[in-house]
Amino acid sequence: DAKTTQPPSMDCAEGRAANLPCNHSTISGNEYVYWYRQIHSQGPQYIIHGLKNNETNEMASLIITEDRKSSTLILPHATLRDTAVYYCIVRVALIGANSKLTFGKGITLSVRP
Amino acid sequence: EAGVAQSPRYKIIEKRQSVAFWCNPISGHATLYWYQQILGQGPKLLIQFQNNGVVDDSQLPKDRFSAERLKGVDSTLKIQPAKLEDSAVYLCASSPGGPGSGELFFGEGSRLTVL
Repeated sequence: DAKTTQPPSMDCAEGRAANLPCNHSTISGNEYVYWYRQIHSQGPQYIIHGLKNNETNEMASLIITEDRKSSTLILPHATLRDTAVYYCIVRVALIGANSKLTFGKGITLSVRP
Repeated sequence: EAGVAQSPRYKIIEKRQSVAFWCNPISGHATLYWYQQILGQGPKLLIQFQNNGVVDDSQLPKDRFSAERLKGVDSTLKIQPAKLEDSAVYLCASSPGGPGSGELFFGEGSRLTVL
């Protein structure tokens, strides 16, 4: 699976949008971009994933560049409860394939009041 | 819907002792994973089961770690003998799809401290 690069940390003000960047310049055509987050003392939680089109769900939006070499996770209105480590992961997602979900160190998002 | 259950939440042992962790996945989830998370790092996959068969155990230190999922439902992870570097949170996750599914549901983890 391709590797990802994320800055170690960032912060944003409560109520503002949080834009979390991820670089995956070696991504292959059959690799998806996944985002998970881990709130302190909890297990990771799935947020969203995408292949090349932008995706949105009730938690966040995922914007993938046209060349697919980077992406941005957007939390539209960050709250204090969004303070967590966010992991960007790329992996092959073919039915029946054995592809590990490999976590890096992630980016620590701190939402300030 | 009940989530992934793990026990115990916390365990303190001395080095060279043994310990076992238990996981009950979400009902109907065929795929089960054990991850190890050392402080300050992301989770690392130890072993992946599809029903009661092992799909991937390439990163499991087999000289001291073992895991089983005998009836394709709950699972146990054992460490014997424990070393200081085994201090970590052991996370269990399950997935409704096959090995290719990327949406995993994690439990809260079992925190192990080895003295």
